[in-house]
Amino acid sequence: NAGVTQTPKFQVLKTGQSMTLQCAQDMNHEYMSWYRQDPGMGLRLIHYSVGAGITDQGEVPNGYNVSRSTTEDFPLRLLSAAPSQTSVYFCASSPGSSQPQHFGDGTRLSIL
Amino acid sequence: AQTVTQSQPEMSVQEAETVTLSCTYDTSENNYYLFWYKQPPSRQMILVIRQEAYKQQNATENRFSVNFQKAAKSFSLKISDSQLGDTAMYFCAFMGLENTDKLIFGTGTRLQVFP
Repeated sequence: NAGVTQTPKFQVLKTGQSMTLQCAQDMNHEYMSWYRQDPGMGLRLIHYSVGAGITDQGEVPNGYNVSRSTTEDFPLRLLSAAPSQTSVYFCASSPGSSQPQHFGDGTRLSIL
Repeated sequence: AQTVTQSQPEMSVQEAETVTLSCTYDTSENNYYLFWYKQPPSRQMILVIRQEAYKQQNATENRFSVNFQKAAKSFSLKISDSQLGDTAMYFCAFMGLENTDKLIFGTGTRLQVFP
């Protein structure tokens, strides 16, 4: 059972480039979320989805897009990368409302 | 808006001793969940323990237990018989039932267990 799989694990981008962080889960979870983790700030919610076709903004959505075409996948897109988006990104999923979230191993993203 | 505060950026404890990590939160909701997550150097986020606000009994998971004080909005984590493998960042998190898909995290406490 793979759980929550994030790819890539590391990525370096130049300012202005675009990229998609992939997240897939094989637990048939309805709920999926993206967080970013910055030093001294804990994890902050970027976007989340309560099911296929439904997404909503979290605390820090600017500069990021998401879509949820299937239950399994929840990609996070950076349209025009900025140095302020240098961070560690975590994807998480949960089976239902109020259930503990299962986290992926994270993607370390550096933007030069 | 809900907030979660962890006032101890770093803590240290000797192996086999007991340590308590503090967490306070602010909310106007009456029903919610509280969590402690552990993040070792491997960067994984691992659920340690969960508490439902409507339960008066404090949650316990082996060497980990919480002291949940709802009126004071306090949710501390006690680690008994500390082990070297407990060395990690510990995050307190809140989830209100009105926003059940949003985990609000504290800034974390770095715990170092010394032999």
